[in-house]
Order: sequence, then C-alpha cells, then structure tokens
Amino acid sequence: AQRVTQPEKLLSVFKGAPVELKCNYSYSGSPELFWYVQYSRQRLQLLLRHISRESIKGFTADLNKGETSFHLKKPFAQEEDSAMYYCALTLYGGSQGNLIFGKGTKLSVKP
Amino acid sequence: DVKVTQSSRYLVKRTGEKVFLECVQDMDHENMFWYRQDPGLGLRLIYFSYDVKMKEKGDIPEGYSVSREKKERFSLILESASTNQTSMYLCASTPPGANTEAFFGQGTRLTVV
Repeated sequence: AQRVTQPEKLLSVFKGAPVELKCNYSYSGSPELFWYVQYSRQRLQLLLRHISRESIKGFTADLNKGETSFHLKKPFAQEEDSAMYYCALTLYGGSQGNLIFGKGTKLSVKP
Repeated sequence: DVKVTQSSRYLVKRTGEKVFLECVQDMDHENMFWYRQDPGLGLRLIYFSYDVKMKEKGDIPEGYSVSREKKERFSLILESASTNQTSMYLCASTPPGANTEAFFGQGTRLTVV
C-alpha cells in the first residue's frame, strides 16, 4: 500500500517564483516525516525533518495531521534548487522503524 | 563525517548470475537498508536490518536476499540476476531512535544483460 504520495512527477517554475512540492501520507500512528533531496550526480541527503521545524536553504515544511500532508515550500526558487525531492515517512513495526519514500518530484527551476 | 560506501559504482552482470552488492558504514549505525531507485517509481525498500543477523523484508524482496554478519556491513544478494533487476541500488544507514537522519551510499548502477 502506498504510504507516501507525491502527486507531481515534475514541477517546473521560473527563478524567483514560489514553489510547493506536495506530499501526503497515510499512517495511523504518529508520523515522522522527512524531505530528502538528490542533486545531479550527488548522493541522496536529508533536507529537513518535521520535528526540527527548521528552514533549510529557504525551504520549510509543516506537518498538517488533519490533511495528512507535509508539503515542502520555498517563497523564491533558485536555479540551484533544481533536483529530485523525496518525501519520506518512518514506519514502526517489529523492533525498529523502516523508512518509506514517495516516488519523488523532479523540480526544475528555469532562469 | 559519516560514510556509507558501496563497493561498486557500476556493475554489468549476465542473466542467471549470482550478484553481491556490498555496503559498509563507519558510524556504528544499527539500522541498514537496501533500496532500488527507478525513474517514476522512486525508492522502493527491498530489505532492512536493525541488528547483526536480523533482517526484515521491505516492499519488494522477491528475487533478493541479504546478509548482515557484521554491524558495519550489509550485503544485498541477487540469487539469479534477471534483466528486470537492472536498476540503481542505494544503501542507507541510520542510528536507532526517532527522527534520525538516513545516510546514503553513492549508489550502484547494476545492468543485467
């Protein structure tokens, strides 16, 4: 069953425009949610996690339990933000948790 | 600096071969994961391990097995490689506990011909 949904495969915006990458999840427990990013030819790396409530590279994400969403937002996109973005959820079962990813959204920021 | 190292960046294997993908982490992490990454499908969990000799199936374990004999090493085994296992394979590790960051290897691009 799909537990993390990223509805957009590709999102294309112009530099300076606002950007929102959508993420919805399905989980009955208390979710632990993350955004990971993969820049071209680089490793997948953590961008931010919901528990930290921080802004990284101008990106923020708010957990909305009512809408089961964790959308990633940035008010003014930059060309260097072009990358693949994955929303992820930690599920707990058995003794430990495992990390489940959405299908990813490719963000393209045009000059 | 956390390091997760996958033994090969690129591999080409023949159909039917037994294939070993190795992953080593140097941060004493308890949890280790194997994913495959395919365009349009994202990252799909194959297997994970939360301790030495412990393993649990992920979403797509068929055709794969794993081995965790030492804490730092987690191996993915393709018992009899098939062309539909051509993919990018990613290894990751995390410490125990909530909201912990996953550290990824550089990936192994496996082509089965």
